[in-house]
Amino acid sequence: SYELTQPLSVSVALGQTARITCGGNNIGNKNVHWYQQKPGQAPVLVIYRDINRPSGIPERFSGSNSGNTATLTISRAQAGDEADYYCQLWDSSTGVFGGGTKLTVL
Amino acid sequence: EVQLVESGGGLVQPGGSLRLSCAASGFIFSNYSMNWVRQAPGKGLEWVSYISRDSSTIYYADSGKGRFTISRDNAKNSLFLQMSSLRDEDTAVYYCARGPPYSGYDSWGQGTLVTVSS
Repeated sequence: SYELTQPLSVSVALGQTARITCGGNNIGNKNVHWYQQKPGQAPVLVIYRDINRPSGIPERFSGSNSGNTATLTISRAQAGDEADYYCQLWDSSTGVFGGGTKLTVL
Repeated sequence: EVQLVESGGGLVQPGGSLRLSCAASGFIFSNYSMNWVRQAPGKGLEWVSYISRDSSTIYYADSGKGRFTISRDNAKNSLFLQMSSLRDEDTAVYYCARGPPYSGYDSWGQGTLVTVSS
């Protein structure tokens, strides 16, 4: 089965750029989606199909996907961006989530 | 406004059964494929099952195959998950989520907690 690997935690200084990676075999050939989940809340889609932002998601959120790594980039990080972030894709009739990354804004 | 509201969670003994429901509103339910996603306490997200708009295509995670049954009633704007032979490891918050396989899940319910314990 397909596996997605994310770092357990990422820290970023307030106002700086955070990058959260999602590793998988030839992930660049797949459509990757990213979710933000704050404590006690349901996940929210922040990037779909690698690079697209749903309406209402700030432009500070962007995505890329190439080779064996997909990346979620959060520019000008704010305190409100502190959350767990999950990558996700569809492979062989199965939904697959990464283990999640806790983003801390210092 | 898109709304997804899950219900049916609760405490059940190992080996027992439970039926989860998800009531949809604010959009044309029959136009969207749907999913169940779960999250064990303190853990990450796990996809559980998918059903296409017309119920013609259904998929399950290995963890639920043979025990879980996903279904929907487009006339009643409702999604269901029938769970049987429940195990301790099925304890989780279960979310219904809207979206096709390749476009991400753009709307989620608030979740319903299923606790499997004796």
